[in-house]
Amino acid sequence: EPEVTQTPSHQVTQMGQEVILRCVPISNHLYFYWYRQILGQKVEFLVSFYNNEISEKSEIFDDQFSVERPDGSNFTLKIRSTKLEDSAMYFCASSEGGGNQPQHFGDGTRLSIL
Amino acid sequence: GQQVMQIPQYQHVQEGEDFTTYCNSSTTLSNIQWYKQRPGGHPVFLIQLVKSGEVKKQKRLTFQFGEAKKNSSLHITATQTTDVGTYFCAAPDYKLSFGAGTTVTVRA
Repeated sequence: EPEVTQTPSHQVTQMGQEVILRCVPISNHLYFYWYRQILGQKVEFLVSFYNNEISEKSEIFDDQFSVERPDGSNFTLKIRSTKLEDSAMYFCASSEGGGNQPQHFGDGTRLSIL
Repeated sequence: GQQVMQIPQYQHVQEGEDFTTYCNSSTTLSNIQWYKQRPGGHPVFLIQLVKSGEVKKQKRLTFQFGEAKKNSSLHITATQTTDVGTYFCAAPDYKLSFGAGTTVTVRA
């Protein structure tokens, strides 16, 4: 069964450094998403992406965050200057269609900011 | 965006017992999705409910969508250790607004 893959599985970064989290969505999916989950808390939406542009973003997704689809397969989340509170599990997800379609999640990248 | 509230936050269940988790929205939902996240894992889609009053079953799991499409429930019968994890309801739009989840632990 096709999967969403994320790399790295764990990223440790010094506060203030830039970090890029990578995702390869399922190949025939058109909608891509990033979520984060702080330890012990619920999954929080960050951003959705369709047709090479952001379709929706949350208040968490401020100017420090950006997303990109640099080629036909990768979907990246960049955090420009990391803060301690950015420490979380970041999940990438994709869906075949938007809105009401089930989303398929990757295994996540655990980001630890020191 | 849509907000969904889930109760209870934690559910400790004796193996073999039944339990129910509830999801409530302040607004009418077009549909609702349920996901399960095992400890250390990622959310996995379980089911989607669309119609008012809809009931769907997956083996020991029964999902229900309220008549007013503002609430939903997940009922698990004869709980097994494989049911351990956090169950989230989610209100889809272009994003998923997840509830806080019900974390289930099972006593053997």
